[in-house]
Formats: sequence, structure tokens, C-alpha cells
Amino acid sequence: SQKIEQNSEALNIQEGKTATLTCNYTNYSPAYLQWYRQDPGRGPVFLLLIRENEKEKRKERLKVTFDTTLKQSLFHITASQPADSATYLCALETGANSKLTFGKGITLSVRP
Amino acid sequence: GAVVSQHPSWVICKSGTSVKIECRSLDFQATTMFWYRQFPKQSLMLMATSNEGSKATYEQGVEKDKFLINHASLTLSTLTVTSAHPEDSSFYICSADAGFYNEQFFGPGTRLTVL
Repeated sequence: SQKIEQNSEALNIQEGKTATLTCNYTNYSPAYLQWYRQDPGRGPVFLLLIRENEKEKRKERLKVTFDTTLKQSLFHITASQPADSATYLCALETGANSKLTFGKGITLSVRP
Repeated sequence: GAVVSQHPSWVICKSGTSVKIECRSLDFQATTMFWYRQFPKQSLMLMATSNEGSKATYEQGVEKDKFLINHASLTLSTLTVTSAHPEDSSFYICSADAGFYNEQFFGPGTRLTVL
């Protein structure tokens, strides 16, 4: 069956450290993968998109990698700050019309 | 950047009533909008894909007669929860495809509570 797994429900790190979040999937062959941030009671906010032919994408303190052989994406936040505390969702393109399937999300807490 | 709004942001209704939720793209036209439902600590679950001027495509297990979707214009899609029951209480979120870079822009969500 098709699955998207984010490796843990919660991640707690110290401010200034790098947060690394994992997204694994099975039985999908997505053309691209996206990462979103969601704050409590709010809709998701787009962060980064990486295509199947790209290994790595960066945006300011964010970095995403995409390994289609391992069927895994890693999402890194460098020099993390308490304001980065939120739930981070990975989403795979899984159909026509840009249809997305979301993982459950990982809640990141950055302590001062 | 592209902005999507939802109205209302929260609604409380009695069991058996119908509730309409609006999703608008404010500064762009969206031929495709998506409706999701999210239960606490769960993932966003796609309910349906809404294309302007045509019938919505519902995901497996989603009752099309219960969740009525109308995409009347390139900037507005509505979701009507008919004869709502307590188990329909959830966070409903829409998104719009602006047609570039495969990015979806999400609305702020609507919290529905059915008593």
C-alpha cells in the first residue's frame, strides 16, 4: 500500500542547532515533493518544492534533499530559532491537477 | 504572494443543519481548488478536487451528496456540509493552484463544530 511516513511525531532541539526532519514514502513515484509549515489552528504555508531530477534545494536557512532511490526527503533548518517551532509536513505529488498527499507532520520545538 | 481566504474561520452549528464554507483566491485566478479535512494531530486528508465550471472529483470514501462543492468562478469555491453531524466536526482547509511551479496556496482553515 502507499504510505508517507515522517519519522517521528515530535522533535525537540536547542536554539542554534540544525533540525533535520525525515520524510519516507513507499509505492509512490512523485514528480516532485513539497514541504510545508503549519502553525496550530492555521492552514499550511508552502516552504520548498524539489523535483525528482533535483538532489538538493536551498532557501535561506532551509535545505531539502530528495533521494528517489531511497524514497526519502530530508528537510534541514540550520541555526534554528524558537520562531521555527511548528509542525512541518511533507507532501507528494500523487496525481493529475497537482494533487498532493500529505504526511502526518513532525512537530518541531526549538528551545531558547 | 498569492493569498487565499476562507470564510467563516470558525462555525458552530446544530446537528442536522447545513454549513457553507467559502474559499477565495484574492489576487489570482485558480482553475483548480482543493478541499482538505484535518482531524487533531492527523494529516491533511484530501476530500475533493474542484475545477471551475465542472463537477468536483471526490476522493474515495467521501460522500459527494454530503459534501457539496461548487466552483462557480475562477476565484471562488464553496463547500457545503449538508445535514452535519458531530463526526463532521473538523478543520476544513482549502487550497488553490495558481498554475505555476505546482505550488498550492492554502487558506487559513475553517473550524467546524457540530453539536
